[in-house]
Amino acid sequence: GAVVSQHPSRVICKSGTSVKIECRSLDFQATTMFWYRQFPKKSLMLMATSNEGSKATYEQGVEKDKFLINHASLTLSTLTVTSAHPEDSSFYICSARVYLNSDTQYFGPGTRLTVL
Amino acid sequence: QKEVEQNSGPLSVPEGAIASLNCTYSDRGSQSFFWYRQYSGKSPELIMSIYSNGDKEDGRFTAQLNKASQYVSLLIRDSQPSDSATYLCAVGASGGSYIPTFGRGTSLIVHP
Repeated sequence: GAVVSQHPSRVICKSGTSVKIECRSLDFQATTMFWYRQFPKKSLMLMATSNEGSKATYEQGVEKDKFLINHASLTLSTLTVTSAHPEDSSFYICSARVYLNSDTQYFGPGTRLTVL
Repeated sequence: QKEVEQNSGPLSVPEGAIASLNCTYSDRGSQSFFWYRQYSGKSPELIMSIYSNGDKEDGRFTAQLNKASQYVSLLIRDSQPSDSATYLCAVGASGGSYIPTFGRGTSLIVHP
């Protein structure tokens, strides 16, 4: 399978600060990456679709000015949570769309964000 | 609104038994179907994908697809305690959009 990495794996920050999360495809090029958020014991929630070289497409209800997504290269997408607040504390997971034998997406290990 | 429905469980089975996980979907034009396993505190891991009606086997896992009934299932044979996790069903969108829709997941507990 394809390998997707995320950094950092865990971050604790103060309210009002911004946090950047990196998502990298290690052994393939990903023209499309996805960003999800998952609260404890809840389902995955798609936040946005990130396409290399173009603006991200945000899902309804997701604030694009708060969750900045940049997909500057075929192997890197970043999510920046701006002016984070405690309610932004969650598990953020990226995934990359890849076509090996079929069109599939592989997930990164996730980033647990805690905002104090 | 495309929907993917799963029983949240928990589904509890004894070690060595067959665990059967079910998923229904609303988008009749969907062509791709996926099962992911997610351990607590971890991200989802792809187990199987299926695209054609019928069964697809991979080791102890068998995915079953019935497009007419809009139903996809995952069977886990010889269940082990290490199979205890949440299993997510994902259904690819029809109409050219790749973005799959995820179900809420079924919690599986395999007890010794």
